[in-house]
Amino acid sequence: DVVMTQSPLSLSVTLGQPASISCRSSQSLVHSDGNTYFNWFQQRPGQSPRRLIYKVSNRDSWVPDRFTGSGSGTDFTLKISRVEAEDVGIYYCMQGTHWVPYTFGQGTKLEIK
Amino acid sequence: QVKLQESGPGLVKPSETLSLTCTVSGGSISNYFWSWIRQPAGKGLEWIGRTHVRVGTGYTDYNPSLKSRVSMSVDTSKNQISLKLNSVTAADTAVYFCATDTTTSLDVWGQGSTVTVSS
Repeated sequence: DVVMTQSPLSLSVTLGQPASISCRSSQSLVHSDGNTYFNWFQQRPGQSPRRLIYKVSNRDSWVPDRFTGSGSGTDFTLKISRVEAEDVGIYYCMQGTHWVPYTFGQGTKLEIK
Repeated sequence: QVKLQESGPGLVKPSETLSLTCTVSGGSISNYFWSWIRQPAGKGLEWIGRTHVRVGTGYTDYNPSLKSRVSMSVDTSKNQISLKLNSVTAADTAVYFCATDTTTSLDVWGQGSTVTVSS
């Protein structure tokens, strides 16, 4: 199985300041079709996860443009340009290139300082 | 927009079978792959497996870690996807989610159903 390793595991950020979360995979996530099937999910307290980003950098329709996904191969980053109160929650990375199975990172808990 | 709602018994005894359903609204159940994912309290996400309706035979992929105990199926007449996990232990206590599966991602998730394994 592909191991996904996130860092940091917790993050405390002042409102309006940037935040960055990293995710590293144990093998390249470049698919034989040339695409990289790497995703980010947000899970707000008491809610189910929601996809934020797919294929490394594509935002879902509900996602504000202060969220940016980047990376390639085995190293990926989620950046929030200016953290808002509604961004509190846990962020998970997930690879969809080497299935079965899909695998997730451990999660990064974002809180407001 | 597809909406998903998981349901099932909240309490299952050890060694018995956990059975959950995911009811789909707002879209055709035949048009999608469907995945189940679980999350123990305060912990991370584990993909359980996926299924799809195919003419003549059902299609499934299961996480090797659970493959010997899990089965999934689709009931098109009820617009439901089912999950069965047998021989459960306390380690199977979790919130269980269903989600639409694009075969490379999980895009729409249900609210989740909490299952506790306890005598």
